[in-house]
Amino acid sequence: DVKVTQSSRYLVKRTGEKVFLECVQDMDHENMFWYRQDPGLGLRLIYFSYDVKMKEKGDIPEGYSVSREKKERFSLILESASTNQTSMYLCASTLPGAYEQYFGPGTRLTVT
Amino acid sequence: AQSVTQPDIHITVSEGASLELRCNYSYGATPYLFWYVQSPGQGLQLLLKYFSGDTLVQGIKGFEAEFKRSQSSFNLRKPSVHWSDAAEYFCAVGALPYNTDKLIFGTGTRLQVFP
Repeated sequence: DVKVTQSSRYLVKRTGEKVFLECVQDMDHENMFWYRQDPGLGLRLIYFSYDVKMKEKGDIPEGYSVSREKKERFSLILESASTNQTSMYLCASTLPGAYEQYFGPGTRLTVT
Repeated sequence: AQSVTQPDIHITVSEGASLELRCNYSYGATPYLFWYVQSPGQGLQLLLKYFSGDTLVQGIKGFEAEFKRSQSSFNLRKPSVHWSDAAEYFCAVGALPYNTDKLIFGTGTRLQVFP
């Protein structure tokens, strides 16, 4: 059974902290994605990666960076967390050309 | 720019009633279309997808969707809703160019089911 896991389900951080969100997939997928989900806005793409060490900005990359050192792991980094980054963060992966994205359970991040 | 519109933010139905969730997309050629479901506290799960061929697509959990090019729509339907169908539903379209595997999501429709 395919699986995408995220390091935390709930996370509370303080303004200015550096935050790491981890995502691991066991399906040998090349493509991985980070979204944030906010009520009334749906899912918005932050960054995606189509191979190890390869990354591209999505629609809302400001305030975020990513790291992909291994194929199965894609990390989202909030360099200096701010309250407007309080959100649900979802990770997904897919094979090239397949389009069907497999999602993790999400991390609900609260920045106080 | 490509976009997906889900005009209904919140829908309430009685258990056993039929359901139709609306989705409209903006794009000229044949799009790749998807419906995902998100149960409370969970990630998204694919219900069904359309790439080409038969315009009526069957999915999991008894859902189906129909692609109508003339109306730029891909509405999701279920003939008889169960209480466990209460969730948020997202329509999505494959973003151009197709070699990126990116999806553009609608804002979602929250389904509430009354007994």
